[in-house]
Amino acid sequence: QKEVEQNSGPLSVPEGAIASLNCTYSDRVSQSFFWYRQYSGKSPELIMSIYSNGDKEDGRFTAQLNKASQYVSLLIRDSQPSDSATYLCAVTRIQGAQKLVFGQGTRLTINP
Amino acid sequence: AAGVIQSPRHLIKEKRETATLKCYPIPRHDTVYWYQQGPGQDPQFLISFYEKMQSDKGSIPDRFSAQQFSDYHSELNMSSLELGDSALYFCASSLGSSPLHFGNGTRLTVT
Repeated sequence: QKEVEQNSGPLSVPEGAIASLNCTYSDRVSQSFFWYRQYSGKSPELIMSIYSNGDKEDGRFTAQLNKASQYVSLLIRDSQPSDSATYLCAVTRIQGAQKLVFGQGTRLTINP
Repeated sequence: AAGVIQSPRHLIKEKRETATLKCYPIPRHDTVYWYQQGPGQDPQFLISFYEKMQSDKGSIPDRFSAQQFSDYHSELNMSSLELGDSALYFCASSLGSSPLHFGNGTRLTVT
């Protein structure tokens, strides 16, 4: 079992709708949680970071963390074709400079 | 804003050759990380350096080595290259508890 699990997709969402991406992790001591967006052949780009239970909103993006359920999600509102990419969930064990452990990524396609 | 700089962007080598990848972290960042991403795979952690000292080690083959220099740039040295080493190699840097910022990567092709 991978330490960080994501549905690999592909996930197709119509333009303007809400895209919901999910991630579970196995290590209960995980402290920091991140969502990265990666376009094909490009580097991962940080979208959101979340460290405590609850919701965190930034523009069209909302990250949700539930440590009891070991679950983190990313919602993208008003999806745009430019949101089409692979979304990588990543966790670290300690809040601070530590290596990221990535999920396998979810490929999201926004259909115009 | 300055980003993580990696060179070269593309590299083609033959089996059993050696390769050196370079990374220049964001100024004042104290930690550098190296990741390998195979086709269709998630990035796999290789090694990290904090203040020029190795801080963590992941799934890095013995054929690979890395170091961080006094100016904080880092180099990943890869010897006896194999076909399976063909991948995107990303360097990332961070400062303290800040999230990692990735460079544009080096695409290594081994033929």
